[in-house]
Amino acid sequence: EDQVTQSPEALRLQEGESSSLNCSYTVSGLRGLFWYRQDPGKGPEFLFTLYSAGEEKEKERLKATLTKKESFLHITAPKPEDSATYLCAVQALLHNYGQNFVFGPGTRLSVLP
Amino acid sequence: DGGITQSPKYLFRKEGQNVTLSCEQNLNHDAMYWYRQDPGQGLRLIYYSQIVNDFQKGDIAEGYSVSREKKESFPLTVTSAQKNPTAFYLCASGNTEAFFGQGTRLTVV
Repeated sequence: EDQVTQSPEALRLQEGESSSLNCSYTVSGLRGLFWYRQDPGKGPEFLFTLYSAGEEKEKERLKATLTKKESFLHITAPKPEDSATYLCAVQALLHNYGQNFVFGPGTRLSVLP
Repeated sequence: DGGITQSPKYLFRKEGQNVTLSCEQNLNHDAMYWYRQDPGQGLRLIYYSQIVNDFQKGDIAEGYSVSREKKESFPLTVTSAQKNPTAFYLCASGNTEAFFGQGTRLTVV
């Protein structure tokens, strides 16, 4: 069964204190791994797509990396506006046709000024 | 502006009532999805559609129905058979990445 787990469940950082979020996955037929940011009461906002082990993507203070079993979202010198829930998802082949996005439960990040 | 529009933002349902959530996209995507989000859980797939006039059940389809008569539209009906419908509902579209609407929060009163 396709599965995505994320750790930690919640993370509290001081402004400027760098850290990493983890996404571990098991999936048959991985097509891609995705990171999203979700603010309270809003829909997820797309951040990155990673397709193969060793790939890295960067956007402002965020960098996503991928191995064969997990992905990391590194946050460098975070600011309070980076506070949000970060979701990881994998795109898996469905048993009938098409593909589905399987989501992890998210990591709730709080950055204190 | 290109994007995905969900309406209404908030919806209240009485016991035994069917309600329909709207989802419209102008991104020319073939694939569209409906997810349900509950506190502390990941998004769970309700229904998906890869092409017009075709759709498939996801992991938690019981008590829900959909239609896909137009490429741009993928409405979700929450029927009275859904015993615990209070949740945040998210519509998405995309053939590679999934792009989301802003969600509809449904509450049973």
